[in-house]
Amino acid sequence: DTGVSQNPRHKITKRGQNVTFRCDPISEHNRLYWYRQTLGQGPEFLTYFQNEAQLEKSRLLSDRFSAERPKGSFSTLEIQRTEQGDSAMYLCASSLVVWDRSSNTGELFFGEGSRLTVL
Amino acid sequence: AQKVTQAQTEISVVEKEDVTLDCVYETRDTTYYLFWYKQPPSGELVFLIRRNSFDEQNEISGRYSWNFQKSTSSFNFTITASQVVDSAVYFCALTRFRGSEKLVFGKGTKLTVNP
Repeated sequence: DTGVSQNPRHKITKRGQNVTFRCDPISEHNRLYWYRQTLGQGPEFLTYFQNEAQLEKSRLLSDRFSAERPKGSFSTLEIQRTEQGDSAMYLCASSLVVWDRSSNTGELFFGEGSRLTVL
Repeated sequence: AQKVTQAQTEISVVEKEDVTLDCVYETRDTTYYLFWYKQPPSGELVFLIRRNSFDEQNEISGRYSWNFQKSTSSFNFTITASQVVDSAVYFCALTRFRGSEKLVFGKGTKLTVNP
């Protein structure tokens, strides 16, 4: 399967524990995004990377959240000292952006998400 | 600030009916992109269409059609002759033309097509 892969698909943890999610984007894609989706809501942007550089972070991303994309391929999203309010689906997406803007489709390819439940 | 409103939370139709999903957006940007994504029960968002603010032509793709009207800041989505497989949550989204590809999503409309 050459789509966006996320692991684990489900994570149940106790409040105060740390969790880490991994995203493997489509291999030739240079951009990688993290979104969060709570029940009944649309996805909310968290952060994105151009290759290994983290270019933008949402104010939703508190100090307890950290994302990395060390080699410009896979990415990890770590949540430290989890709180019940962190319970959500964490979505990863990737895209290929080229310098010829007219060629960019703007299409994001999403993974199936990692569902976090904090007890 | 950018905002997308999908006023219809849930819609239920019978197979073969036509259905229109509404999307109203707010932005101060003069150039921007609008999107529709489909989220089936499996959870993976699937891209349906992108439209830039310069192109107000309506688009048709099979049973799907989109009506973009800048005058009313709307980008509505119509499914003709709906099928059970169309059942999903549909999201409208907006992004700035020059800036990150950060999408601002609406809350989504859950469509149920009954046989």
